[in-house]
Amino acid sequence: EDQVTQSPEALRLQEGESSSLNCSYTVSGLRGLFWYRQDPGKGPEFLFTLYSAGEEKEKERLKATLTKKESFLHITAPKPEDSATYLCAPARNTPLVFGKGTRLSVIA
Amino acid sequence: GAVVSQHPSRVICKSGTSVKIECRSLDFQATTMFWYRQFPKKSLMLMATSNEGSKATYEQGVEKDKFLINHASLTLSTLTVTSAHPEDSSFYICSGLVGTDTQYFGPGTRLTVL
Repeated sequence: EDQVTQSPEALRLQEGESSSLNCSYTVSGLRGLFWYRQDPGKGPEFLFTLYSAGEEKEKERLKATLTKKESFLHITAPKPEDSATYLCAPARNTPLVFGKGTRLSVIA
Repeated sequence: GAVVSQHPSRVICKSGTSVKIECRSLDFQATTMFWYRQFPKKSLMLMATSNEGSKATYEQGVEKDKFLINHASLTLSTLTVTSAHPEDSSFYICSGLVGTDTQYFGPGTRLTVL
């Protein structure tokens, strides 16, 4: 059975304090690992897709990396506007299996 | 990124009535769309996969007669919650598939059943 675990469940950072979010998964035949950002009361916003171990992608203060069993979302010098829930979703086929997410709060 | 809209953004209805939620892809054609449900502080749970011109595929435990999905065009899928009850109150989110892998999500619809 496909499983995905995100840690920590919640993270509180001071503005400028870099950190990493973890997504570990057990999915056979992984096609891709997706990262989304979700603000309260809104739909998820697509961030990245990673397809193979060793791959990295960056967008502004975010960088996603992928190994065979986990993915990290690194946040460098975060700002309050980065506060959101970050969801990862490994996919074996098209339907995504979402983790519970990490609720990030960045305090000014 | 691709844009998906949903209407209405929020709806309140009485128990026993039916509610229709629309999901539109605004700048791409979505052969495949997905419907999710999200309870407070929980992750998204896939309800069904909708393919244009064919019957939707429902996930285990989702009542197909209660959650009617129609995907009559490449830009519109609808979810109708029939005979809604308070336990159906939730946040319903749709997504459209772009290419073979990436889903772009709508803003969601908050359903409250009194």
